[in-house]
Amino acid sequence: KQEVTQIPAALSVPEGENLVLNCSFTDSAIYNLQWFRQDPGKGLTSLLLIQSSQREQTSGRLNASLDKSSGRSTLYIAASQPGDSATYLCAVDGANSKLTFGKGITLSVRP
Amino acid sequence: DAGVIQSPRHEVTEMGQEVTLRCKPISGHNSLFWYRQTMMRGLELLIYFNNNVPIDDSGMPEDRFSAKMPNASFSTLKIQPSEPRDSAVYFCASRARDRNTGELFFGEGSRLTVL
Repeated sequence: KQEVTQIPAALSVPEGENLVLNCSFTDSAIYNLQWFRQDPGKGLTSLLLIQSSQREQTSGRLNASLDKSSGRSTLYIAASQPGDSATYLCAVDGANSKLTFGKGITLSVRP
Repeated sequence: DAGVIQSPRHEVTEMGQEVTLRCKPISGHNSLFWYRQTMMRGLELLIYFNNNVPIDDSGMPEDRFSAKMPNASFSTLKIQPSEPRDSAVYFCASRARDRNTGELFFGEGSRLTVL
């Protein structure tokens, strides 16, 4: 059974800092991995999708990497802004088409 | 495109009542997922459909829960009878055919409170 872990559960940083959010998974037989953002009271918004054959994806200030062999992914946020404050979840799409989610990291960027 | 549309956004009901949550996926998407989110357990997959056919319902907690997808543009999740422990936010999500490149799109969720 796939398990996805995101540690720490919460993170607070000053504005402008570059930061890395971590995601680990137990079963390396995956199709892809997605990073999502969730604002309070809202649904999840997809940020980046990395296919199993890829090593990284970039969108603006966001860069996500994938290392299947070690069961890890990172989401790098450059020059963080208060508007980046939200919960960030990673999800792994396994062989059975089920996306397994981590519990998320709640990020607070202080002005 | 309007995105994934869920209704109602909020539902407050009493224990024992029937609850029906509705979802309209993005047009052209062939996979639909129902998730439940709580603080304690995070996001849990309840059931998913491919081409309107239920593929895996192993996440449905009990026989009190049922889901249908009568056509490509509509799905329902029903709880009968509801219990206080069913209180959660229920999300519907859809994805296009190619799972290798298809991102998952979520609705805004239905917040259910069972008193």
